[in-house]
Amino acid sequence: GNSVTQMEGPVTLSEEAFLTINCTYTATGYPSLFWYVQYPGEGLQLLLKATKADDKGSNKGFEATYRKETTSFHLEKGSVQVSDSAVYFCALTSRNSGGSNYKLTFGKGTLLTVNP
Amino acid sequence: GAVVSQHPSWVICKSGTSVKIECRSLDFQATTMFWYRQFPKQSLMLMATSNEGSKATYEQGVEKDKFLINHASLTLSTLTVTSAHPEDSSFYICSAPRAGAQETQYFGPGTRLLVL
Repeated sequence: GNSVTQMEGPVTLSEEAFLTINCTYTATGYPSLFWYVQYPGEGLQLLLKATKADDKGSNKGFEATYRKETTSFHLEKGSVQVSDSAVYFCALTSRNSGGSNYKLTFGKGTLLTVNP
Repeated sequence: GAVVSQHPSWVICKSGTSVKIECRSLDFQATTMFWYRQFPKQSLMLMATSNEGSKATYEQGVEKDKFLINHASLTLSTLTVTSAHPEDSSFYICSAPRAGAQETQYFGPGTRLLVL
């Protein structure tokens, strides 16, 4: 079955530090890969996605590249801000057996805290 | 962007009672909605897929008679936790994909259930 493994947190950084959150996956076929973010007290929001190998997803200064050869989708940001403090989830989708629905498989989430 | 709401945001109930949680897509129609359960410091676990006009599809290990799902309309799905027990205490989250962008799911803010 499909699975997603991401680095365990919590991760604590100072403002303007470089961020990397590792994510690797196991999947059959060619999944699409996602990073979702959950700010305190809010629901999950899509941060970025990549649908095929070598694609780079980017949003709000965050980037992740779909690496098929290493089955990875690591999240990076060059300079984090206090407002980036949240839980980050790596995820992948696969079609169900009928081919009509996409099911998300999530990693366990990584709590990021950015201090001023 | 697409908005998904959940009601209530939190609920406390006595053991043995039933609790209904609503998930609504506010500005788009959703023929499919997903229900997840999230334990503290754990990932989201897919419980079931709610299908408008047909029966829900449950993941392995999820009790159908315990977690009743009704997709009443193209904008509403409900999850009823029947005869709730303390071990059902958790954070329940719904999501819905938007037509034409099935891979991207929009998440509700979640409902925290505490069973005493």
